[in-house]
Amino acid sequence: QKEVEQNSGPLSVPEGAIASLNCTYSDRVSQSFFWYRQYSGKSPELIMSIYSNGDKEDGRFTAQLNKASQYVSLLIRDSQPSDSATYLCAVNSRSNDYKLSFGAGTTVTVRA
Amino acid sequence: DGGITQSPKYLFRKEGQNVTLSCEQNLNHDAMYWYRQDPGQGLRLIYYSQIVNDFQKGDIAEGYSVSREKKESFPLTVTSAQKNPTAFYLCASSIEGGSTDTQYFGPGTRLTVL
Repeated sequence: QKEVEQNSGPLSVPEGAIASLNCTYSDRVSQSFFWYRQYSGKSPELIMSIYSNGDKEDGRFTAQLNKASQYVSLLIRDSQPSDSATYLCAVNSRSNDYKLSFGAGTTVTVRA
Repeated sequence: DGGITQSPKYLFRKEGQNVTLSCEQNLNHDAMYWYRQDPGQGLRLIYYSQIVNDFQKGDIAEGYSVSREKKESFPLTVTSAQKNPTAFYLCASSIEGGSTDTQYFGPGTRLTVL
């Protein structure tokens, strides 16, 4: 079982819709969770970090964490063509010496 | 202007050559990391360092070497022992390397074996 799993996509959504990205992880003692956005040919940039169960909102982005279900998600509201990118889920756990484990990413395409 | 710089942006290597990728940061971060990204795969950790003059192997360290002589610099050497080095190499840094630290990435170096 991979440490961090994401639906590879591609996920295609119309402009203005909500894009929902999912991520599951295997290490129960994971403490920190990150979503990065990566445009084609570029390096990852941080969108959100979340550490506690529940929702965290930042602009059009909402991260949701459920540690009991070992599940973290990212919602993108009012999706824009500029949101078209690959979104990487990363999990940092004490049992892995605080190293980040990355999912393979979900590619999102927003149709104008 | 704070950040992480990587050079070169593109690098071509011939068979049997060692090449060194540069990574510099002026964020005053203690921890630095090297990742490799292949198409359709997530980032895989090569080496990381949480303090000067100390570093640890990541998940795919074979065929690579690093040094950490200065806080701001963490160069990666891809040796001839790395049989499939063509990939996108990403350097990152974080404040301490702790469990809540955010890692910030440099722009990357794309290495191609000729």
